[in-house]
Amino acid sequence: KQEVTQIPAALSVPEGENLVLNCSFTDSAIYNLQWFRQDPGKGLTSLLLIQSSQREQTSGRLNASLDKSSGRSTLYIAASQPGDSATYLCAKYNFNKFYFGSGTKLNVKP
Amino acid sequence: GAGVSQSPRYKVAKRGQDVALRCDPISGHVSLFWYQQALGQGPEFLTYFQNEAQLDKSGLPSDRFFAERPEGSVSTLKIQRTQQEDSAVYLCASSSRVGYGYTFGSGTRLTVV
Repeated sequence: KQEVTQIPAALSVPEGENLVLNCSFTDSAIYNLQWFRQDPGKGLTSLLLIQSSQREQTSGRLNASLDKSSGRSTLYIAASQPGDSATYLCAKYNFNKFYFGSGTKLNVKP
Repeated sequence: GAGVSQSPRYKVAKRGQDVALRCDPISGHVSLFWYQQALGQGPEFLTYFQNEAQLDKSGLPSDRFFAERPEGSVSTLKIQRTQQEDSAVYLCASSSRVGYGYTFGSGTRLTVV
């Protein structure tokens, strides 16, 4: 069974802090790794996609890395803002399906 | 429309009732997924369509769950004889390319009482 684990499950930080969200997965077979954001009562918004041949992707204050050999990905958020408060999900894509972690619920305090 | 539309947004069903959940993908998107998300958990795969073909239904929890996409556009997820454990948010996603650019709908929150 392919498993995706996210640590921590919840995180509360003051505004302005840099933070790292962790994702680990079993089975190194991977087509791509995606990070999503989910706001309460809403669907998922794709933030970053890292193809299996890539090591990292950046978008604004977000940077995601992928290490297939160790089965890990990290999402780095720089200079966090209250608007970043949401649940962040990582998902491994392979064999026509996503395998999601349970998410990290982030609260950025003003 | 510009996004993936799911209806209804909320559904309360009595145990044993049948329900039908609808997904309107982005026009022209060939790939379509259904996922089930229990409270506090990540989404779990249910089924995958490419056009009208259901290529993978390995995630459907029981034979009470049935999905169709007869004309390769709108999809319906049907749950027969609902049970309390079926309570969850059901998410639909579509894409024009396999593996990339999936757009998720806002989901249908099903509560079985």
